Amino acid sequence: GAVVSQHPSWVICKSGTSVKIECRSLDFQATTMFWYRQFPKQSLMLMATSNEGSKATYEQGVEKDKFLINHASLTLSTLTVTSAHPEDSSFYICSARDSTGKRTFFGQGTRLTVV
Amino acid sequence: AQSVTQLDSQVPVFEEAPVELRCNYSSSVSVYLFWYVQYPNQGLQLLLKYLSGSTLVKGINGFEAEFNKSQTSFHLRKPSVHISDTAEYFCAVSTYGGATNKLIFGTGTLLAVQP
Repeated sequence: GAVVSQHPSWVICKSGTSVKIECRSLDFQATTMFWYRQFPKQSLMLMATSNEGSKATYEQGVEKDKFLINHASLTLSTLTVTSAHPEDSSFYICSARDSTGKRTFFGQGTRLTVV
Repeated sequence: AQSVTQLDSQVPVFEEAPVELRCNYSSSVSVYLFWYVQYPNQGLQLLLKYLSGSTLVKGINGFEAEFNKSQTSFHLRKPSVHISDTAEYFCAVSTYGGATNKLIFGTGTLLAVQP
C-alpha cells in the first residue's frame, strides 16, 4: 500500500533553535498534506493544510510564523518549528492525501522534545 | 461544523472477549467516517472507513463498524480481542468531496487488553 515517510522519528533540540520535519509520500503524488499535533493522551489536532505550490491554510490559534510549512513538490512537505520552546514539545504527525481525495495516509510521527 | 465524540477514554477488556468502542458524530451535512488505530509512538493506521453503501463495514484485524445515521453513531466492534489489539483507537469524520477536506478526530479510546 501507499506509504508516507516522516523524518526524523524523534528529535531533541535546545530552546530557541529551529527544527525541520519532513513528510514524504513514497509511491503516490500527494496533492494535499496535513500537519497534526498530538499532546500526550490527547487526540490529533489539525495545525494546517497545505496544497502543493500554495501557501498553507492554518487552523485558528496556530501561529503561522512559528510553524512554517512548505509543500514545494507533490511528494514532499516540511514543517519547521522556529525558535522552539519547551511548550512546543509534542508528537507531530503528517498525513498525505492523493489527487482523488479518497485516500489519506499517515506518517509515523515525530517526537519533538525541546530542552 | 463537524465534531466527533468518543465517550470512553479507556476500555479494559480480557483477551478473547468481545469489545465495542463507541463513536458519535455531529454534522449538518453528509460525512465519511473512519476508525484509525495508533500504537505507541507511531502514526495512525486506517482500520476501516464508511463512504457509502452497506452500513456494516469490515476492516483489518477482524474489526467491523456499523454506521447508524439515525443515531449518528459509528461504533467499532471486534468479537474476540487479542493482546496485540492494545492501542489507542480514534474515530474521525470528514465531509464529502474535495481533496482538502479535513479529518476531524475524536479524543481517542485506549483499548487495554488484559490476559
